Amino acid sequence: SQQGEEDPQALSIQEGENATMNCSYKTSINNLQWYRQNSGRGLVHLILIRSNEREKHSGRLRVTLDTSKKSSSLLITASRAADTASYFCATEAQGGSEKLVFGKGTKLTVNP
Amino acid sequence: EADIYQTPRYLVIGTGKKITLECSQTMGHDKMYWYQQDPGMELHLIHYSYGVNSTEKGDLSSESTVSRIRTEHFPLTLESARPSHTSQYLCASSEWEREGRETQYFGPGTRLLVL
Repeated sequence: SQQGEEDPQALSIQEGENATMNCSYKTSINNLQWYRQNSGRGLVHLILIRSNEREKHSGRLRVTLDTSKKSSSLLITASRAADTASYFCATEAQGGSEKLVFGKGTKLTVNP
Repeated sequence: EADIYQTPRYLVIGTGKKITLECSQTMGHDKMYWYQQDPGMELHLIHYSYGVNSTEKGDLSSESTVSRIRTEHFPLTLESARPSHTSQYLCASSEWEREGRETQYFGPGTRLLVL
């Protein structure tokens, strides 16, 4: 089944450093989305990249998509302690049911 | 913050009890979803609905049931709770978009502990 797999599973960095998380998936997609989840809370949508896009920016976030490798990366620049959270990629299958399939997430810790 | 609400936020209950987890959204979204998430793990879709009187089972088999009598309300019911049902339950909603660019809006979740 199609599933996003993030790596690393956990990442710990210092404030001000950049954080990069990767996501791989298995089948053709319409779009790929990144969500953030603070501990014990629901998910918050961060950014969506369509299958015909290669890169997208939103504030300190940069997302890339390589459909030939079926992978995406999320870069958070100049990280802050408040960025500490789990980050999930989610894919919507091409020609599919419009449901999202979530990966296992990367737990990011930004130390002050 | 999205206008989607879940109650209760935390629930501790004994085995065999019937429970209903509430989910409401005020955004007028047609599509609603229930996910189950164990700590530190991925989300698994257990139920979804594309509108009133429409409900479907998700990718993960679940003993729970759902109903969609009103657009804004999508409750999840467990007839007889068991310790294996202990998990976090997340409700989400989204708008219907023709071009397949849906963004899901999540509620804060309900943490369920069945003793």
